[in-house]
Amino acid sequence: GNSVTQMEGPVTLSEEAFLTINCTYTATGYPSLFWYVQYPGEGLQLLLKATKADDKGSNKGFEATYRKETTSFHLEKGSVQVSDSAVYFCALLAGTALIFGKGTTLSVSS
Amino acid sequence: DGGITQSPKYLFRKEGQNVTLSCEQNLNHDAMYWYRQDPGQGLRLIYYSQIVNDFQKGDIAEGYSVSREKKESFPLTVTSAQKNPTAFYLCASRRGAGTDTQYFGPGTRLTVL
Repeated sequence: GNSVTQMEGPVTLSEEAFLTINCTYTATGYPSLFWYVQYPGEGLQLLLKATKADDKGSNKGFEATYRKETTSFHLEKGSVQVSDSAVYFCALLAGTALIFGKGTTLSVSS
Repeated sequence: DGGITQSPKYLFRKEGQNVTLSCEQNLNHDAMYWYRQDPGQGLRLIYYSQIVNDFQKGDIAEGYSVSREKKESFPLTVTSAQKNPTAFYLCASRRGAGTDTQYFGPGTRLTVL
């Protein structure tokens, strides 16, 4: 079946450090892939997405590349800020609904 | 302002009572979804609706019910049959056929005492 596996957190970084959050998936075919971000007490916001192999999604300095050969969609940012502290969810589209990973908590300190 | 609204933000109920969570969108989206989020877990799909007057069960529909009488509204009822209803509930919508992005509301935190 379809599933998403994310690296477990929490991830704790200092401001301006490099961020990688790993995400791998199992799916039939080539689903669209997403990263959502959730700030404390809020709903989810779409961060970026990619719809086919080798596509790179990017937004607000975050990037992720759809890697078919490794079934991965790792999230990266070159220099994190305190305001990036949040929970990050990787997801894939299976039919009409999203399948989510468990989320990775990022904490950035100044 | 276009968006998805969920009310209330916090809801408290006594065990054994049914409770209805509101979800309204003014984006003219065809599809709407309800997800449940528990601490340390991803989101799990409860119900979804792709058109008015039609809806399908998701992975964890037991103990929940929905209706879709209007395009902009998709209320979720948490019944007394739901064994562990305390959670954060998120509503989402998607424009329709040919689109893949879901947009989320701010969520309702339900606590059953």
